[in-house]
Amino acid sequence: LAKTTQPISMDSYEGQEVNITCSHNNIATNDYITWYQQFPSQGPRFIIQGYKTKVTNEVASLFIPADRKSSTLSLPRVSLSDTAVYYCLVGDTHSNYQLIWGAGTKLIIKP
Amino acid sequence: DGGITQSPKYLFRKEGQNVTLSCEQNLNHDAMYWYRQDPGQGLRLIYYSQIVNDFQKGDIAEGYSVSREKKESFPLTVTSAQKNPTAFYLCASSKGKGLARWETQYFGPGTRLLVL
Repeated sequence: LAKTTQPISMDSYEGQEVNITCSHNNIATNDYITWYQQFPSQGPRFIIQGYKTKVTNEVASLFIPADRKSSTLSLPRVSLSDTAVYYCLVGDTHSNYQLIWGAGTKLIIKP
Repeated sequence: DGGITQSPKYLFRKEGQNVTLSCEQNLNHDAMYWYRQDPGQGLRLIYYSQIVNDFQKGDIAEGYSVSREKKESFPLTVTSAQKNPTAFYLCASSKGKGLARWETQYFGPGTRLLVL
């Protein structure tokens, strides 16, 4: 089954830019790459989605190289409130629908 | 104010008891989903529904049942056959019928189920 690979955890400091990379070697032609954020005891929240090159919204940027086998979520000038788990998702190339949720990346922002 | 509501926030189950978790959405979304999350783990799909009166099993459907009699509602029953039900349960919805892998899912606040 296709899956994503992310670092288990990352630390950074307030005001820094944080980049979280996700590997997805088996991404299918029609798959998009989506990132979600989850705070403890809450449901995940959509952050950003892209297909290729670069996507930017008010909270993050998503960089996708030409081969689409990886993607990088970039969080500019993080604050303590960005401490959360970040999930990278792509479609599963071997099933007709299901998304695979890995364990995500636990990001801890320090003062 | 549109969104997804789940109730209760905490639920306690006795041995051999069936319990039902509520999920309601007023986003006019066609697709709805139930996930289970264990500590430190990602989400695992229990059931999903693309349209009223139809639903499909996900990865871990054994010991669970659902219904979709109304577009807005997708309740999940944890039956006594589910031997390890302690987990955080999340309901989600998406705009279309869930066939597009790029559909954004909107999540409720979750229900934490504990076994007495």
